[in-house]
Amino acid sequence: SQTIHQWPATLVQPVGSPLSLECTVEGTSNPNLYWYRQAAGRGLQLLFYSVGIGQISSEVPQNLSASRPQDRQFILSSKKLLLSDSGFYLCAWSHETGDTQYFGPGTRLTVL
Amino acid sequence: QKEVEQDPGPLSVPEGAIVSLNCTYSNSAFQYFMWYRQYSRKGPELLMYTYSSGNKEDGRFTAQVDKSSKYISLFIRDSQPSDSATYLCAMSKAGANSKLTFGKGITLSVRP
Repeated sequence: SQTIHQWPATLVQPVGSPLSLECTVEGTSNPNLYWYRQAAGRGLQLLFYSVGIGQISSEVPQNLSASRPQDRQFILSSKKLLLSDSGFYLCAWSHETGDTQYFGPGTRLTVL
Repeated sequence: QKEVEQDPGPLSVPEGAIVSLNCTYSNSAFQYFMWYRQYSRKGPELLMYTYSSGNKEDGRFTAQVDKSSKYISLFIRDSQPSDSATYLCAMSKAGANSKLTFGKGITLSVRP
């Protein structure tokens, strides 16, 4: 069976500090991978998605970036965090057909 | 008009009640329809998945899709306090790498 991991679970960072969130998937090959942010009252916002190693599509221009260095690893980064980057970050995966996504446990980020 | 509209809630019902959660959509290209359940501070989990119009039943849960009316529903029978969560509808178009479009979610509370 497939499993998706995210870490850290919780993170408190000062404004202007860098960020690195990691997501890994087990039990499948060549998954599509997704990063979402969920803010209260605003639903799920798709940030990035990837259909393969090194292939990243950005949905929302902002100070975040994503990378996929390995088939089942997806990283969300920032060089300098803003207060507005606070939120619940979710990684998800899908099969290549992409019709259903499975979410990780999430990382709660607070920027102070 | 937003692509997917979901009743904002919140919704509070007594234990044992029948719950009806609904979403409407505007894009007739949507072919796959999902309901996710999200407990507080957790990632969404896939609850129901349906393709095209019709009903699908899984235990106390029934998902209904009416493509002619662009309307989907999730029914929960004999609701339990453990059903207290946020429920998100999601849908996607046919084709590889098709992205999900989510409703904003409705928070359900089942009172003992």
